[in-house]
Formats: sequence, C-alpha cells, structure tokens
Amino acid sequence: GDSVTQMEGPVTLSEEAFLTINCTYTATGYPSLFWYVQYPGEGLQLLLKATKADDKGSNKGFEATYRKETTSFHLEKGSVQVSDSAVYFCALGDTGRRALTFGSGTRLQVQP
Amino acid sequence: NAGVTQTPKFRILKIGQSMTLQCAQDMNHNYMYWYRQDPGMGLKLIYYSVGAGITDKGEVPNGYNVSRSTTEDFPLRLELAAPSQTSVYFCASSLGKGNGGYEQYFGPGTRLTVT
Repeated sequence: GDSVTQMEGPVTLSEEAFLTINCTYTATGYPSLFWYVQYPGEGLQLLLKATKADDKGSNKGFEATYRKETTSFHLEKGSVQVSDSAVYFCALGDTGRRALTFGSGTRLQVQP
Repeated sequence: NAGVTQTPKFRILKIGQSMTLQCAQDMNHNYMYWYRQDPGMGLKLIYYSVGAGITDKGEVPNGYNVSRSTTEDFPLRLELAAPSQTSVYFCASSLGKGNGGYEQYFGPGTRLTVT
C-alpha cells in the first residue's frame, strides 16, 4: 500500500538557518503530494502541494519539488524564523478515496 | 465561512461509555474524513464519506461508527470506549475532484481521554 517516510525529529535550528525536512513516498500511479503544518494546539493547515512530477510547490518561503525519479518531496526554507516552530507532515493523495496518507511528522524547533 | 467545526474540544470518558464527536463543514464539500492522531504519530484514517448516504472504512475503523445524512455533517460514534481510543480526533473535508480535489481542510480537533 501507499506509505510516506519522513525524517525523524525534533529538528532544532537557530533563526535564519537553512531548513531541509526529507520526505520519500511509496505509491502506485501518480499521487499528489502535500506538506501540512500543525502549530501547537491547532489542526493541520495546508502549507504547499504539487500534483505532478517536477512541479514545485511554494508558500511562505517554503518550497518542495515533486521528484518522481527519487520518489521524494523534500521541504526546504532558506531562512527559518521562530514562528516556523511547528510539526510538519508530508502526505500523499490516494487517487481512489481522495484521502491522504501521512508521514509521522517532523517537529521543528527554531531558537532565537 | 466557519470552515470545518468540531465539538467538543476536550472530553474524558470512562471505559465502556459511548459518545458522539460532531463535525460540520459549510464549504459544500462532498468528501469528509475522520482521522486520529496518536502522540508522536501521523494521522490514521478511521472512516470517510464521498457524499450524503455513503460511508466507507479507512485504516483503523474498529470501535467506531459514522453516518452521513447531510452534506454538512459527519458525526463519529464511539461505542464502548477503550483506553486504546485515547487520541486526538480530526475531521476534514475536501472537494474531492479536480486538481485541487485532494486538498483537505481540517477542523481544530477533539482531544479524547478514556480512563
């Protein structure tokens, strides 16, 4: 079945550091790929998405490129802020149920 | 536009009790979902619905039931609560079609403790 593997956290960075959170997936067909963010005590919010190979999703300075050859969708940001501290989830879209399969999440802590 | 709303925010149940978690959306989305999130884990799909009157099981349906009598509402019923059902429950909805069809909108969650 479909699965998503994310790097384990927590990831601790200083403000203005470069961020990479790795995500790889296993799926049949050509799923859509997503990054969701969960701030403390809140529900998940869509951060960015890509619907086909080589697409780049971007939002709020975050970027991720859909790489079919390496089945990856790594999240990057050039300069993180304290306000980026949250849990980040990689997910893929199930073409049949239109449901999402999530990775286990990566907690990011940004220190001033 | 309230989006996806869930009630209650918190609940403590005793083993064997029952309860219904409420979920409503005002975006006229066809697809609705229930997920649970255990500590340090990703979300697991419990049940989903592709429209009023149609529901189906996800990965972890045991101990739960759902109904979808209207487009707006998708309640989740827990019968005979067990400690293993202690979790945070999220309801979500999506349009279910087109390029943006997978994009899901989440409610704020219900934190449930079974003791």
